[in-house]
Amino acid sequence: DQQVKQNSPSLSVQEGRISILNCDYTNSMFDYFLWYKKYPAEGPTFLISISSIKDKNEDGRFTVFLNKSAKHLSLHIVPSQPGDSAVYFCAAGYLSNNDMRFGAGTRLTVKP
Amino acid sequence: DAGVIQSPRHEVTEMGQEVTLRCKPISGHNSLFWYRQTMMRGLELLIYFNNNVPIDDSGMPEDRFSAKMPNASFSTLKIQPSEPRDSAVYFCASSLWRAGSPLHFGNGTRLTVT
Repeated sequence: DQQVKQNSPSLSVQEGRISILNCDYTNSMFDYFLWYKKYPAEGPTFLISISSIKDKNEDGRFTVFLNKSAKHLSLHIVPSQPGDSAVYFCAAGYLSNNDMRFGAGTRLTVKP
Repeated sequence: DAGVIQSPRHEVTEMGQEVTLRCKPISGHNSLFWYRQTMMRGLELLIYFNNNVPIDDSGMPEDRFSAKMPNASFSTLKIQPSEPRDSAVYFCASSLWRAGSPLHFGNGTRLTVT
């Protein structure tokens, strides 16, 4: 049972434009959400997180938005750069522990 | 900081053989996780440990899979007997057992069962 869903397997954007990656979750008890980035032949690396008490968290070019009523979060990358090309995983879980559930990932391609 | 170390990086084996994947977590981390990545299901949590004790193994597919953590610096994931459908990339991750502590992943073991 997939509790975290990333419905877009791939996304292609032009360099300099905004990339928007989406994620939906089904468990309303989740209170902590993260995005990870994964390059080929490497493990995922932590990118940005947000707890359920906030609806936005920003770190440089990366912003995560959380809509609790819709059980939806998104990652915005602006401006997008070719080095951002990777697979992005959304994860959700509980702030009280580290039991995180991951989505299937979205492959982002940023074209020069 | 050497990061999470997994071995081997690649494993090719025949159906029915035993496979053992190894993981060394980051020193000082007290939580360890095993994930499996497939095209169909993405990253699935198989099992995780806190302070070397298995907390949740509900993601382990079946009895052919077992995991151990004999001490704070080493864990194994064993598949016996292996089947072609076990072919996937297996990731180990570690973290501090602390609210909001992100997972640190190893580079994975790509398992191919023929």
